[in-house]
Amino acid sequence: KQEVTQIPAALSVPEGENLVLNCSFTDSAIYNLQWFRQDPGKGLTSLLLIQSSQREQTSGRLNASLDKSSGRSTLYIAASQPGDSATYLCAVNSGNTGKLIFGQGTTLQVKP
Amino acid sequence: EAGVVQSPRYKIIEKKQPVAFWCNPISGHNTLYWYLQNLGQGPELLIRYENEEAVDDSQLPKDRFSAERLKGVDSTLKIQPAELGDSAVYLCASSPGTGFAYEQYFGPGTRLTVT
Repeated sequence: KQEVTQIPAALSVPEGENLVLNCSFTDSAIYNLQWFRQDPGKGLTSLLLIQSSQREQTSGRLNASLDKSSGRSTLYIAASQPGDSATYLCAVNSGNTGKLIFGQGTTLQVKP
Repeated sequence: EAGVVQSPRYKIIEKKQPVAFWCNPISGHNTLYWYLQNLGQGPELLIRYENEEAVDDSQLPKDRFSAERLKGVDSTLKIQPAELGDSAVYLCASSPGTGFAYEQYFGPGTRLTVT
């Protein structure tokens, strides 16, 4: 049974700092991995999608890496801003049905 | 293009009462998902529809939860009777097709509080 873990559960950093969020999964047989952002009281917004054959994806100040063999992914946020404050969720797709298995999320606070 | 629409956004009910949530997916998306998100946790899949057919409802507590998607477009998730432990956010998502190649788009969710 696939399990996804995110560490840390919460993170507080000063504005401008570079930071890394971690995601680990127990079964390396995945099709892809997604990082989502969730603002309070809102739904999920997809940030980056990494296919199993890829090692990383970049979008603006965000860079996500994937190491299937070790069951790990990281989300790197460069030059953090207060507007980056949100909960970040990673999810793996390890079946052909589209079913996503989510981690519990990391709540990020960027202080001005 | 309109995103996934959910209503109501918030609902407060007393335990043992019934409650229903409504979802309208993105136009043309034939796959619809209902997820449950407990406080401080990631979403968990309750049920997946392909058009009007429920193809994965293994995580749906069938003694009190039911769902329907009669015309393969909008969907309703119902709880009867509600219990205190049902307090959570109920998220709806849709995708153009089924499978890992299709990205899921999420609605804002319905936050349920059972007192």
